[in-house]
Amino acid sequence: ETGVTQSPTHLIKTRGQQVTLRCSSQSGHNTVSWYQQALGQGPQFIFQYYREEENGRGNFPPRFSGLQFPNYSSELNVNALELDDSALYLCASSSGASNEKLFFGSGTQLSVL
Amino acid sequence: GIQVEQSPPDLILQEGANSTLRCNFSDSVNNLQWFHQNPWGQLINLFYIPSGTKQNGRLSATTVATERYSLLYISSSQTTDSGVYFCAVGVSNAGKSTFGDGTTLTVKP
Repeated sequence: ETGVTQSPTHLIKTRGQQVTLRCSSQSGHNTVSWYQQALGQGPQFIFQYYREEENGRGNFPPRFSGLQFPNYSSELNVNALELDDSALYLCASSSGASNEKLFFGSGTQLSVL
Repeated sequence: GIQVEQSPPDLILQEGANSTLRCNFSDSVNNLQWFHQNPWGQLINLFYIPSGTKQNGRLSATTVATERYSLLYISSSQTTDSGVYFCAVGVSNAGKSTFGDGTTLTVKP
């Protein structure tokens, strides 16, 4: 059984660029949630994908978008990067869309210069 | 939205000591989870505990849903227990979990 994997582990971008982060869910899981964690804070919910459909979204602007593929892996896309987007981006997979135990990957550390 | 408060914000212990971390939440919840974030950033799920008590080795957790709090107990702490402990709650079927700001635990040898 493979765990949740995220790529890349680190990324440096400049303001205004676009970025794509990737997540492979744990085997047997059909749901992926994305979180943003700023330094010294708890993770903030961005959105969740369940069976390839968005199932809930946090307080993030539309330039944060996502996708889930038939194998349940997922992408997080961020357009027009801003300095405040610098954070650790965490992906969690679960076996269902609601009230399920979350399993996190190691995250992608994004720095926007 | 729901508010999640964790206390204390920071805790420093000598190896072998016991500790209790608290998580208060402002509304009824459907689920509650405790996580440990290691120095490399990975969140490890310790407990899924919407109510009741669970134990896993030196760690145990209790959630009293009617009183809107949960406690995480760490006994005989080890240096490897260091890191940030988060609780996260879910209040609906929309999949969102709301995290507290965490308790930073430092265990000294």
